[in-house]
Amino acid sequence: DQQVKQNSPSLSVQEGRISILNCDYTNSMFDYFLWYKKYPAEGPTFLISISSIKDKNEDGRFTVFLNKSAKHLSLHIVPSQPGDSAVYFCAASGGERDDKIIFGKGTRLHILP
Amino acid sequence: DTGVSQDPRHKITKRGQNVTFRCDPISEHNRLYWYRQTLGQGPEFLTYFQNEAQLEKSRLLSDRFSAERPKGSFSTLEIQRTEQGDSAMYLCASSPGTGVEKLFFGSGTQLSVL
Repeated sequence: DQQVKQNSPSLSVQEGRISILNCDYTNSMFDYFLWYKKYPAEGPTFLISISSIKDKNEDGRFTVFLNKSAKHLSLHIVPSQPGDSAVYFCAASGGERDDKIIFGKGTRLHILP
Repeated sequence: DTGVSQDPRHKITKRGQNVTFRCDPISEHNRLYWYRQTLGQGPEFLTYFQNEAQLEKSRLLSDRFSAERPKGSFSTLEIQRTEQGDSAMYLCASSPGTGVEKLFFGSGTQLSVL
């Protein structure tokens, strides 16, 4: 049972344009969400997070939006750069009630020159 | 801060053999996690520790898998009687353990069972 779903296995975006990666979750107990980035032969690295008490969090070129009623979050990267080409994982946690972190399957982002 | 270290980086073994992986977390990180990742999938939770206490073990994990963190520092993950389906990347991560927070991952151990 996939509690965190990333339905797009891959995405191609022109350099300089906006990249939008989507994520859906099924567990209403999740209240903390994270995005990780992974390059080949390396472990995932933390990118940005958001608590369920917020609907937006911004860090430089990266913004995460959370829609709790739809159980949906998205990661926006503006402007997209060649170094952004990687696999992006959406992850979620139940916070103090259940703080282990559950990951989605990932979306491979290709930034085109 | 030298990051999370995992050893070995690669392991090739024959079916039925036992293997053991080691993870050294960032010093003073109380939480330590083990995940498994196969091709096209995200990291799958296996187990995690708060200091030396194992807090939870995934229901998907068979009894052939065991993890320890004897002194609350490094951790080992042992797989007994390996099967071809155990072939995967085994990832270790740590966090300060003050609540829900970002994890710092190691580069993983790639296991191939022949």
